[in-house]
Amino acid sequence: GAGVSQSPSNKVTEKGKDVELRCDPISGHTALYWYRQRLGQGLEFLIYFQGNSAPDKSGLPSDRFSAERTGESVSTLTIQRTQQEDSAVYLCASSRGSGLDEKLFFGSGTQLSVL
Amino acid sequence: GQQLNQSPQSMFIQEGEDVSMNCTSSSIFNTWLWYKQEPGEGPVLLIALYKAGELTSNGRLTAQFGITRKDSFLNISASIPSDVGIYFCAGQRGGGTALIFGKGTTLSVSS
Repeated sequence: GAGVSQSPSNKVTEKGKDVELRCDPISGHTALYWYRQRLGQGLEFLIYFQGNSAPDKSGLPSDRFSAERTGESVSTLTIQRTQQEDSAVYLCASSRGSGLDEKLFFGSGTQLSVL
Repeated sequence: GQQLNQSPQSMFIQEGEDVSMNCTSSSIFNTWLWYKQEPGEGPVLLIALYKAGELTSNGRLTAQFGITRKDSFLNISASIPSDVGIYFCAGQRGGGTALIFGKGTTLSVSS
């Protein structure tokens, strides 16, 4: 597609339920990132995929969070046993490669609300 | 999570005024970038800086990559109402590493 696509755009869930968020990166982009943005806050790095390399999971806040990526395409971010503190916008971004001059393109995010 | 120190947190200015915001880090970054985010959208890249000391302009925006590689600033000249939004700095230590963001500067412009 023309840009990074995320779905759903909004998700309301009950505390304790699991959620899956999806990201379709720009075609041909080998690098994919997930970020979390709490209300009024900056972007908090969660996880980074680059090609077939092992993902950088250093930003995942707890073992309730996990992410998968199939090849160089779709990625899903899974949050198990959601808590109210997980409420935030989850942003996905992709870039053509991992070089310092590669530009990051963001999706519009998934607004997650945990009741 | 990892974040850069960005200031000010918010700014309220009159149309036509110049704006300056900056970002600092305790460690070196080899790339500095500035993004703008509008409500309901993801951040959009404004300026990218790749060399210490580099000064780059994009229209009314000017950004500099600090000599120490631990800071960067963004200036907006002659602000207009459509400049309203949240501005984020971001740094990257090296190729293949994650982009780390500041907490953002919220800019409000009154006409």
